[in-house]
Amino acid sequence: NAGVMQNPRHLVRRRGQEARLRCSPMKGHSHVYWYRQLPEEGLKFMVYLQKENIIDESGMPKERFSAEFPKEGPSILRIQQVVRGDSAAYFCASSPRGTGNTIYFGEGSWLTVV
Amino acid sequence: AQSVTQLGSHVSVSEGALVLLRCNYSSSVPPYLFWYVQYPNQGLQLLLKYTTGATLVKGINGFEAEFKKSETSFHLTKPSAHMSDAAEYFCAVTPGGGTSYGKLTFGQGTILTVHP
Repeated sequence: NAGVMQNPRHLVRRRGQEARLRCSPMKGHSHVYWYRQLPEEGLKFMVYLQKENIIDESGMPKERFSAEFPKEGPSILRIQQVVRGDSAAYFCASSPRGTGNTIYFGEGSWLTVV
Repeated sequence: AQSVTQLGSHVSVSEGALVLLRCNYSSSVPPYLFWYVQYPNQGLQLLLKYTTGATLVKGINGFEAEFKKSETSFHLTKPSAHMSDAAEYFCAVTPGGGTSYGKLTFGQGTILTVHP
């Protein structure tokens, strides 16, 4: 049973470009979470999605960031017009249900903005 | 609201020595508590979790943690450190019960170094 799959593992973007990070949850999991780990900081919750729905986006920056989890295909975290401060590791996690379940993390996507 | 404080950003032990990583939490409702380990450039792996029931929780790789409500603590221990334990460890909390889902609040992390 494959784990949470994230790609790309490493992404380099120039300032002003767009970054798209993809996450395929574990088989049987329909709940996806995105976290960000900035240098020298712990992980911070960004957004919680179910298929075709955003449940909690309280941790998402107000501008340039968006997330989706379509009926078919992976979840996408999209960062428009990237700036150097967006350089971080972005982790996706999934769970089979929303409540009372452990979440399982992917290997992460490391974004570097130059 | 929840918060987590990990005391000591760096802990260094000798191989074979006791490992103690400290975690204190704050939660307005009974919490669920977790310890995760992260190796360099990798994702987070769940070590153990406390939800309800027995307050001493055993996890993988010989780690265990004890939930102490009166002290609002969830310290992680291992009797004998191994070189392969060198990594960064994160304590996390989420509201327990029916309101719990995967929105975790993490501590800042503790980097464990193991000396031969």
